[in-house]
Amino acid sequence: EVQLLESGGDLVQPGGSLRLSCAASGFTFSSYAMSWVRQAPGKGLEWVSAISGGGSNTYYTDSVKGRFTISRDNSKNTLYLQMNSLRAEDTGIYYCAKDPIYDWLPGNWFDPWGQGTLVTVSS
Amino acid sequence: QSFLTQPPSASGTPGQRVTISCSGSGSNLGSLAVNWYRQLPGTAPQLLIYSDTQRPSGVPDRFSASKSGTSASLAISGLQSEDEATYFCAAWDDSLNGRVFGGGTKLTVL
Repeated sequence: EVQLLESGGDLVQPGGSLRLSCAASGFTFSSYAMSWVRQAPGKGLEWVSAISGGGSNTYYTDSVKGRFTISRDNSKNTLYLQMNSLRAEDTGIYYCAKDPIYDWLPGNWFDPWGQGTLVTVSS
Repeated sequence: QSFLTQPPSASGTPGQRVTISCSGSGSNLGSLAVNWYRQLPGTAPQLLIYSDTQRPSGVPDRFSASKSGTSASLAISGLQSEDEATYFCAAWDDSLNGRVFGGGTKLTVL
């Protein structure tokens, strides 16, 4: 069974940093692109970042470019999101999600999703 | 403001058929496939439909979807109480150069 387990969410002050992790199991992790998707409290979903299976290609939504860094350690089956210069609007549940193939391509989808980890940016 | 527009709410009675719409533009629904996700209260989203009309294994055939031009719709027949959830459409957007979601439609089973 494919499982994704996020961790690392916390309360952090504006301008602070946080690193999220997503431990994967039940599939060949290095063969699939992965993403982070967030959901502000009571709001909709927003794709944040993605990475190809080998880690050489990374993608970001405009609002996090230059502040967030996605990476993966395929030897540890773990996906990461390093978040710096955090803002109040970054508050929300962060989900990791698996893509159906190695490359992160436009027409694909997220399946499955982890249970999420809560990031709160507040003073 | 979402790139894809969904009605904020929908409702139906058990056994009824309901549809949820998703409206976009030429830079998203007009160019590539739409996917649908269901989010049960307090849980993570789950894939419901991919590539416009395809159901993953385990999703009952009560769920179906269609797309025409820059609009898509999700249909749920034989509505059940456990279908109460928020439903999101999603697609690639050429202007954002990323995947975008609709604002979500909260379905209530009366």
